[in-house]
Amino acid sequence: GAVVSQHPSRVICKSGTSVKIECRSLDFQATTMFWYRQFPKKSLMLMATSNEGSKATYEQGVEKDKFLINHASLTLSTLTVTSAHPEDSSFYICRLAGANNEQFFGPGTRLTVL
Amino acid sequence: GQQLNQSPQSMFIQEGEDVSMNCTSSSIFNTWLWYKQDPGEGPVLLIALYKAGELTSNGRLTAQFGITRKDSFLNISASIPSDVGIYFCAGQLFGNEKLTFGTGTRLTIIP
Repeated sequence: GAVVSQHPSRVICKSGTSVKIECRSLDFQATTMFWYRQFPKKSLMLMATSNEGSKATYEQGVEKDKFLINHASLTLSTLTVTSAHPEDSSFYICRLAGANNEQFFGPGTRLTVL
Repeated sequence: GQQLNQSPQSMFIQEGEDVSMNCTSSSIFNTWLWYKQDPGEGPVLLIALYKAGELTSNGRLTAQFGITRKDSFLNISASIPSDVGIYFCAGQLFGNEKLTFGTGTRLTIIP
C-alpha cells in the first residue's frame, strides 16, 4: 500500500489559535482527498472532499471558513482549523483516493484545544 | 451524515473464540469494505467486497456481501490478542469515491 503521513501526529494549542494539519503521500497520486473527524468512541464523519486545484466540497454542517482545505498537489492536502475552540478537539484523518478506486487512510492527527 | 448500523457495538471475548459482526443499511451499496482501527491510528483496510453474495477471506477473516446489497458481515476465527481494536464497515456506490461508515464494533479480548 501507499505510504501516507500526517503532520503533526499530535498537537495541543490554545483556544483561538489556528492549526494546520498536513496529509502527504510519498508514493501515491491522489486525485481526490477526504478529511474526516472522529470523536472518542465514535465513527469517522466526513468533513470535506477535495480535488487537486479546485475548491473543497464541504459536508452539511461543516463550516468552510473554519476548516480551510487546500489540495495543493496530487500528494499534499492541508486542513487548517482556524480560531480553534475546545469543541474542535478531535482526531482528524485524511483519506486519499486515486485511479482504480485505490484508497489509503492517513495515520491521523490528534488535536487538543485548551 | 448517514451512518450504517453495525452490531454488536462492543464484544468481550476470550482468546481463541470466533467473532462475528454485521453491518446493515437502509439503502444499497455496490462495494462493502471492512476496516480495523487501532487506538490513535487511521483505519486499515481488511477486506473489500464488490459483488452481491461474494464471500471473501483474508487469513482468519471472512466477509460476505449480502444478497440484498444492504448488509455485510465479518467473521474472525480463532481470535488472537492483536485482533483487539475497532472494526468499521463502509459502503460505497459506483462512481462515487465517498464512503459511508458504520458505527463501529469494539473488540476486546479478556485475558
